[in-house]
Amino acid sequence: NAGVTQTPKFQVLKTGQSMTLQCAQDMNHNSMYWYRQDPGMGLRLIYYSASEGTTDKGEVPNGYNVSRLNKREFSLRLESAAPSQTSVYFCASSENGRNSPLHFGNGTRLTVT
Amino acid sequence: KNEVEQSPQNLTAQEGEFITINCSYSVGISALHWLQQHPGGGIVSLFMLSSGKKKHGRLIATINIQEKHSSLHITASHPRDSAVYICAVLEGNLIFGKGTKLSVKP
Repeated sequence: NAGVTQTPKFQVLKTGQSMTLQCAQDMNHNSMYWYRQDPGMGLRLIYYSASEGTTDKGEVPNGYNVSRLNKREFSLRLESAAPSQTSVYFCASSENGRNSPLHFGNGTRLTVT
Repeated sequence: KNEVEQSPQNLTAQEGEFITINCSYSVGISALHWLQQHPGGGIVSLFMLSSGKKKHGRLIATINIQEKHSSLHITASHPRDSAVYICAVLEGNLIFGKGTKLSVKP
């Protein structure tokens, strides 16, 4: 049972480059999330998708876009990477919204130079 | 916005000790999560609770809604319990604490 799969695990970008972080879950969960984790701070929500076909901004959405491709997949795109986007990114899913336990991917460590 | 405070920030214990990690928040919530982040970075959900107490193996989580406080207890701690423990409160979206880094020495 794979759970939540994130790719890539590591990525280095130059300022201005673009990339897409991929996330897929095999638990038939309705809700999916993208978080970033920075040193000395709690996890912060970038975007979420309460159900297939819907996406909403979280606490720190600037510089990011998302696509809920289908029920399984939720991707995060950086159109023009900036050094401030250097972070560890986590995808998560839950059965039905935030009142359900979260299941996390293993994270993507992104460095923007 | 809810302020989530965890204490202590860092905790070192000897194997076998009873451990308590605290989480306080400022505004009423509908639920609280406890998460464990392994040294390798992976995050696992331990508990989600809105009242009372939950137990899973050597882990116990309690919440006092009136006092806006939750505790995570680990009985008979073991080096494999070494991790960062994160509290998150549900108020609209989840708001995460900064975590408590636990190190259990053999």
